[in-house]
Amino acid sequence: GIQVEQSPPDLILQEGANSTLRCNFSDSVNNLQWFHQNPWGQLINLFYIPSGTKQNGRLSATTVATERYSLLYISSSQTTDSGVYFCAVSNSGNTPLVFGKGTRLSVIA
Amino acid sequence: KAGVTQTPRYLIKTRGQQVTLSCSPISGHRSVSWYQQTPGQGLQFLFEYFSETQRNKGNFPGRFSGRQFSNSRSEMNVSTLELGDSALYLCASSLGVAINEQFFGPGTRLTVL
Repeated sequence: GIQVEQSPPDLILQEGANSTLRCNFSDSVNNLQWFHQNPWGQLINLFYIPSGTKQNGRLSATTVATERYSLLYISSSQTTDSGVYFCAVSNSGNTPLVFGKGTRLSVIA
Repeated sequence: KAGVTQTPRYLIKTRGQQVTLSCSPISGHRSVSWYQQTPGQGLQFLFEYFSETQRNKGNFPGRFSGRQFSNSRSEMNVSTLELGDSALYLCASSLGVAINEQFFGPGTRLTVL
């Protein structure tokens, strides 16, 4: 099945810094989502981005489907950005999402 | 529009017992998927239901089962609980056709003693 690798596994930032999280996948995809898992465990949808670029406030994401990777950019990070960021993909319309192991982000004041 | 709801939020059981978790999807969504999250294995797919039929199944033993009702609400059941079943169980809903963006509920944290 499709493999998903996220990097880096851990990231520590000062408040106000920018960061880039990467997601590599092993096959073509028709669904790619970025999530933020909050301290209570809920997965919050950040982007649905099987291809192209999207922006939402301080966050933006780019997926280059032909090269099988996606990037999540966080600018001017805040302590509330702390948590685990997951990339998840599927490669056909009715197959389940396959998750990467996540990037644990800690933003320090 | 209300999000995905899961009940109960927390549960403590002992080995050998069984448990039933419930998930109500976003109104209009017909697909419900279940995932298990543990520190060691990460997020793993359990099964997916669409229009009351199991459409996909992950690699879990038969002790894990589920069903979906005509109103799209879903339940999952784990029988003969083992210590290793302690996990966060997450439910996701989606339209289920073509666009498959999934939206997750808050999860049920199960502890097996």
